[in-house]
This record gives sequence, structure tokens and C-alpha cells, in this order.
Amino acid sequence: GNSVTQMEGPVTLSEEAFLTINCTYTATGYPSLFWYVQYPGEGLQLLLKATKADDKGSNKGFEATYRKETTSFHLEKGSVQVSDSAVYFCALRDLNSGNTPLVFGKGTRLSVIA
Amino acid sequence: GAVVSQHPSRVICKSGTSVKIECRSLDFQATTMFWYRQFPKQSLMLMATSNEGSKATYEQGVEKDKFLINHASLTLSTLTVTSAHPEDSSFYICSALRERGGPSYNEQFFGPGTRLTVL
Repeated sequence: GNSVTQMEGPVTLSEEAFLTINCTYTATGYPSLFWYVQYPGEGLQLLLKATKADDKGSNKGFEATYRKETTSFHLEKGSVQVSDSAVYFCALRDLNSGNTPLVFGKGTRLSVIA
Repeated sequence: GAVVSQHPSRVICKSGTSVKIECRSLDFQATTMFWYRQFPKQSLMLMATSNEGSKATYEQGVEKDKFLINHASLTLSTLTVTSAHPEDSSFYICSALRERGGPSYNEQFFGPGTRLTVL
């Protein structure tokens, strides 16, 4: 079946540091890949997505590239801010398999300190 | 963008009572909605897939008689936690699948979640 593995947290960084959160996936089909963010006390928000190999999703300074050869979709940001403190979830969904739901990784908590 | 609402956002109830959580897609129709449960500091666990006009499909290990799902219209799905107990305390999140039209076609949109506390 499909699954997502992302690096364990928590991750603590100083403001303006470089962020990488690793994500790898296993899929039987050809999935679309997503990063969601959950700010404290809130629901999930789509951060970025990529639907095919070599696509780069980007938003709010975050980016991730769909790497089919390494089955990865690592999240990066060049300079984090305190406001980026949240839990980040990597997810996949096979859009060609009917109305199947997103499959999530376990989430990585990021804390950015001033 | 597409909006999904959940009501209530927080609920506290006594053990043994039932609680209903509503999930609405406000600006699109959704034949399919999903219900997730999130434990503290953990990922989202899919509980069931809700299909408009038919029975929900539950994931293995989820008690269908305890977590009743009704998807009576294309914009509303409800989750009723029956005879709630403290171990049912959790964060419940719904998601609606936008299946027609627009740039967000076939994308899942999430509600803000409902925090249930059972005393």
C-alpha cells in the first residue's frame, strides 16, 4: 500500500536558519505529493504540492521537488521565521485511484526561536 | 479557495452522552468527505470515507456503531460519537473532496477541526 515517512521531530531552529524536512514515500501508482502545515490550535492548510516527477511546489518561501528516482519530496526553506513554527505533514494521494484520501506522514514539529 | 467548516470547534461532554459534529463544504459540492482523528502530537488517522447517499466506508479498527456517519447532502456530512467515553477525547478533522471544476479539482480541503473532551 501507499505510505509516507518523514523525519521525526521536533526540530528547533534559530530564526533565519535553513530548514530541511525529509519525506520519502512508497506508492503503487503515480501519486501527487503534498505538504500541509498545521499551526497551533488550527486545522490543516495546504502549503504546496507537486503532481508529477521533477515538479517543484513552492509557497511562502517553502519549496519541495518531486523526485521519482529517490521517491522523495523534501521540504526546504532558506530562512525560517518564528511564524513558521508549526507541524508539517508530508502526504500523498493517487489521483488516478478514484476518491481515495490523502495518506499522511507522522508530522514534524518545527519550533523557530528568535 | 474552497472552504470547509466544522461545528462545533470545541465540545466538552459527559461520559455516556452522544456528540454530533458537522462538516460543511461552503462553496462547492462534495460527494466524498473524509473523517480523520488526530491524537496529541501524532498524525491524522483516517477513520472513514463518507459518501453522499450511501453508507460510509470505515477503516479497519474503527467501530461503525460508535462513530456514526451521515452524508445526507452534497454539502454536509455529520459524525456522531455515540456513548462517548474519555478515550474518545481527540481532535476530529473532516475533509471534503472537490470533484468538479476549477483549479482545485480533485483536491481535499480540510475543516478547522473539532476538539472533543469527554469528562
